[in-house]
Amino acid sequence: GENVGLHLPTLSVQEGDNSIINCAYSNSASDYFIWYKQESGKGPQFIIDIRSNMDKRQGQRVTVLLNKTVKHLSLQIAATQPGDSAVYFCAEGFFGNEKLTFGTGTRLTIIP
Amino acid sequence: DSGVTQTPKHLITATGQRVTLRCSPRSGDLSVYWYQQSLDQGLQFLIQYYNGEERAKGNILERFSAQQFPDLHSELNLSSLELGDSALYFCASSVTGASNQPQHFGDGTRLSIL
Repeated sequence: GENVGLHLPTLSVQEGDNSIINCAYSNSASDYFIWYKQESGKGPQFIIDIRSNMDKRQGQRVTVLLNKTVKHLSLQIAATQPGDSAVYFCAEGFFGNEKLTFGTGTRLTIIP
Repeated sequence: DSGVTQTPKHLITATGQRVTLRCSPRSGDLSVYWYQQSLDQGLQFLIQYYNGEERAKGNILERFSAQQFPDLHSELNLSSLELGDSALYFCASSVTGASNQPQHFGDGTRLSIL
């Protein structure tokens, strides 16, 4: 993947296990959060989003949890598959600011 | 497939040159964003357009410029290229450009400066 800076956190998970990727966001005014997946040689792919009036949102095999008290976001991937190996990063936005701010990403490796 | 198309996929050029990167947004999306992704800096927002007009500006150098055309496609122009400009350049689009909408990304243009 392209987001392979020296300080990119990594997470290795056995195939079939669940994984949790965490993200700390910085702006208490942020009211919209997204998770993206980036595979090697590709652009970031939208996975799931959540608004600040929710604590949890579920998609297909993915769940996003939002804890506004501690400004923490997590992405849970259930029953991981080899195709889940990628860099995952969160982004935050808030009304009145037109751009999203992206985190640095976490590299998830699924061990067969 | 996100529906966002970027060309070219790869570009190799020399220092001091100028290049143009092209982006076609998803059908129906009015807003286009440009990002730079380098090894040591992650995704950096450059600039956003909405329906042909500049909406927001990020860390875009003066040597870089962009525009969005009436058909909504966008071009990012990079001039007086330096070695440090080598990076992946992504375009993303969203429906209205509001900050509470997902942006959908193309697969990027990899720019290599020799």
